[in-house]
Amino acid sequence: KAGVTQTPRYLIKTRGQQVTLSCSPISGHRSVSWYQQTPGQGLQFLFEYFSETQRNKGNFPGRFSGRQFSNSRSEMNVSTLELGDSALYLCASKRTVNTEAFFGQGTRLTVV
Amino acid sequence: GQQLNQSPQSMFIQEGEDVSMNCTSSSIFNTWLWYKQDPGEGPVLLIALYKAGELTSNGRLTAQFGITRKDSFLNISASIPSDVGIYFCAGPSMNRDDKIIFGKGTRLHILP
Repeated sequence: KAGVTQTPRYLIKTRGQQVTLSCSPISGHRSVSWYQQTPGQGLQFLFEYFSETQRNKGNFPGRFSGRQFSNSRSEMNVSTLELGDSALYLCASKRTVNTEAFFGQGTRLTVV
Repeated sequence: GQQLNQSPQSMFIQEGEDVSMNCTSSSIFNTWLWYKQDPGEGPVLLIALYKAGELTSNGRLTAQFGITRKDSFLNISASIPSDVGIYFCAGPSMNRDDKIIFGKGTRLHILP
């Protein structure tokens, strides 16, 4: 059974650009959550989607958005990139809302 | 909101030593999860605990769900170099938002 797949693994963007990251959850999992991880900051929750609906949202500006498709794949978008957006972005899938989360390998975004 | 406090924040040990780390909360959890994150990778689920008092092993790793449901510990026996990484405890929120709450992690360093 394939794990959580995130693409791309690495990305370099310049300030002011926008970026879209993709996450394919484990087959049969309907919940996808996104986290931002910067050095020393732990896992900062961005948002969670379940059955194409956003269930939860963390404390991030409106430049961060996401969506989930009918096949449970999810994308997150960051517009008007800032240097401080450089981070490892992690996606986690859950079978349903109150079960264990399984993470992808992450997308390392560098904003220059 | 619910928070998980992990201690210690970091530890330096000699190869072959046993390791103990713990996670506490001021509120109860019904499930405790322990993850390990290697540098530049996504966290990997090590052990899941579902019942107060439960003691579960996974190879050299042992974790326990505290009887008060407000704490959990993770032990690693006979540490080896590949145990290096960040260990996170986590648990599904008891609020109705169904989020998974993560601790800030314990960073394990192993001296040769």
